[in-house]
Amino acid sequence: QVQLVESGGGVVQPGRSLRLSCADSGFTFSTYGIHWVRQAPGKGLEWVAGISYDGSKKFYADSVKGRFTISRDNSESTVYLQMNSLRAEDTAVYYCAKGRCSGGGCPEFDYWGQGTLVTVSS
Amino acid sequence: QSVLTQPPSASGTPGQRVTISCSGSSSNIGTKYVFWFQQLPGTAPKLLIYSNNQRPSGVPDRFSGSKSGTSASLAISGLRSEDEADYYCAAWDDTLSGWVFGGGTKLTVL
Repeated sequence: QVQLVESGGGVVQPGRSLRLSCADSGFTFSTYGIHWVRQAPGKGLEWVAGISYDGSKKFYADSVKGRFTISRDNSESTVYLQMNSLRAEDTAVYYCAKGRCSGGGCPEFDYWGQGTLVTVSS
Repeated sequence: QSVLTQPPSASGTPGQRVTISCSGSSSNIGTKYVFWFQQLPGTAPKLLIYSNNQRPSGVPDRFSGSKSGTSASLAISGLRSEDEADYYCAAWDDTLSGWVFGGGTKLTVL
């Protein structure tokens, strides 16, 4: 069973950095990709970044390209989102969600974490 | 504004059938699978439909998805009060090389 738990959110000043983590306590973490999706207060969903099951493929939204970096450590069953040069408009709840399976044949976005709030403010 | 276009609101009475539309382009909906999500207040999104019209296990068959050209629709039949939520469509976009979401539709059960 997939169970995703995000951590690392908090209040940070504009221009500073923050690293989010997405961990799975299950035994199949290395077999699927992970997405980060954010939701600004009172707004809709925005896909931020994604990484393949083995870390070989990474994708970013234009709004974060060059500032955010997604990575994973399968030995720790954790995906990271390193967020640099943070802006007020990055303020949001950040969710991680399960991505594509290594062998295909399973739906993406079928498991989500509870979210972690990032507030960028001086 | 969002790459995928949804109506901001929809409504229906209990037992009714409602549909929510999602309009895109040839770089996303026209050539890629469409996903639909339900988000209840204060909770994480939940996958309702994947690959245009497939339901994950546990999703009632009252929810159905369809796609035609560059548009997709989510239909909810036998509307219930607990269906009151925000609904989002999403698809991969080849031009952007990333996932795009609709702006969301707030469904009210009258």
